[in-house]
Amino acid sequence: QKEVEQDPGPLSVPEGAIVSLNCTYSNSAFQYFMWYRQYSRKGPELLMYTYSSGNKEDGRFTAQVDKSSKYISLFIRDSQPSDSATYLCAMIKDTGRRALTFGSGTRLQVQP
Amino acid sequence: EPEVTQTPSHQVTQMGQEVILRCVPISNHLYFYWYRQILGQKVEFLVSFYNNEISEKSEIFDDQFSVERPDGSNFTLKIRSTKLEDSAMYFCASMLGRATKNIQYFGAGTRLSVL
Repeated sequence: QKEVEQDPGPLSVPEGAIVSLNCTYSNSAFQYFMWYRQYSRKGPELLMYTYSSGNKEDGRFTAQVDKSSKYISLFIRDSQPSDSATYLCAMIKDTGRRALTFGSGTRLQVQP
Repeated sequence: EPEVTQTPSHQVTQMGQEVILRCVPISNHLYFYWYRQILGQKVEFLVSFYNNEISEKSEIFDDQFSVERPDGSNFTLKIRSTKLEDSAMYFCASMLGRATKNIQYFGAGTRLSVL
């Protein structure tokens, strides 16, 4: 079983739609959770950072963590064509190790 | 806004050759990382570096790889004898410190093509 599972998509939605992106993980040692956005042939860009169960909102983005279910989500409201990218979930274990463990990424296409 | 800078953006090399990938982390950051992303696959951790030594490395980071911080600004990844399977995007990242929120900032990457 992979440590972090993420549906690779592609996910295609119309402009203005609400997008839901998800990751599951198997190791309860993961304590810090991030969402990165990656445009083609570019480096990952941090979108959201959370460390406790619950919701965190930043503009059109909401990150949700459910540690009991080992499940994290990213919601994008009022999606725009400029949101078209690959979204990567990433996590860090609370063992002093700071290396990020990434999901495989979900490719999102927002149609104008 | 400060950013992580990587050079070159694209490196083409022959199998068996040595390559050095260069990174300039954000200036006051203390933790440095290299990650790799093979085309179509996920981003994978290679190595972390703090206080002028490797703090952690993955099973990918074998004896062919080495890292160095030769001066106060550069952070390099050397691959001694490249193999075809080393072809990938290599990302450098830096983090301010553990007291911060574990936020790593990534460079735009170096695409390594081994022929």
